[in-house]
Amino acid sequence: EAQVTQNPRYLITVTGKKLTVTCSQNMNHEYMSWYRQDPGLGLRQIYYSMNVEVTDKGDVPEGYKVSRKEKRNFPLILESPSPNQTSLYFCASSSFVGQGSNQPQHFGDGTRLSIL
Amino acid sequence: KQEVTQIPAALSVPEGENLVLNCSFTDSAIYNLQWFRQDPGKGLTSLLLIQSSQREQTSGRLNASLDKSSGRSTLYIAASQPGDSATYLCAVSYQTGANNLFFGTGTRLTVIP
Repeated sequence: EAQVTQNPRYLITVTGKKLTVTCSQNMNHEYMSWYRQDPGLGLRQIYYSMNVEVTDKGDVPEGYKVSRKEKRNFPLILESPSPNQTSLYFCASSSFVGQGSNQPQHFGDGTRLSIL
Repeated sequence: KQEVTQIPAALSVPEGENLVLNCSFTDSAIYNLQWFRQDPGKGLTSLLLIQSSQREQTSGRLNASLDKSSGRSTLYIAASQPGDSATYLCAVSYQTGANNLFFGTGTRLTVIP
């Protein structure tokens, strides 16, 4: 089954304790992206990757890191989490050709992070 | 800055009614527009994708239209069912930025049996 898998689904942690949210897709997609969703603000893009070893900032990259060492994986790293990073996070992927893509994005089920 | 707006924020309708959800965007140079459905505790499911060269797309009881010149899209749901209850999000992709999506804040739909 084609899917985007995020882990963990839920996490409560404390300020400053490094954490990683994993994202894996089994569709051989080139493009992967991370979003955060906050009430009243909608989904906002954090980072994206157009292929292995190619990553770039989205709208709200501060406090986050990503890496794309393999095509299927795109982990999101919070080096020193803070309470304002409490949010619902989504990973997404799609095939990508050229300047843009008319392929729909596939989303994971989300990771709810609470930073105390 | 690209802004995507969805009105209303919430909508309740009795089962069987036809309904329209609205989405507007400030920058008309879009590459495509997608409508998603989000269920509580779940991710987003892509419903329809309209390319910038298209006027509408249909899937079952859903029909999405696109008017680039006015910066608007609508999602029409025919003969609504309680199972249609969810939050509906629209998102646009712009020609200048990969496949990055800019989302509206959604319309929460409740279909009353």
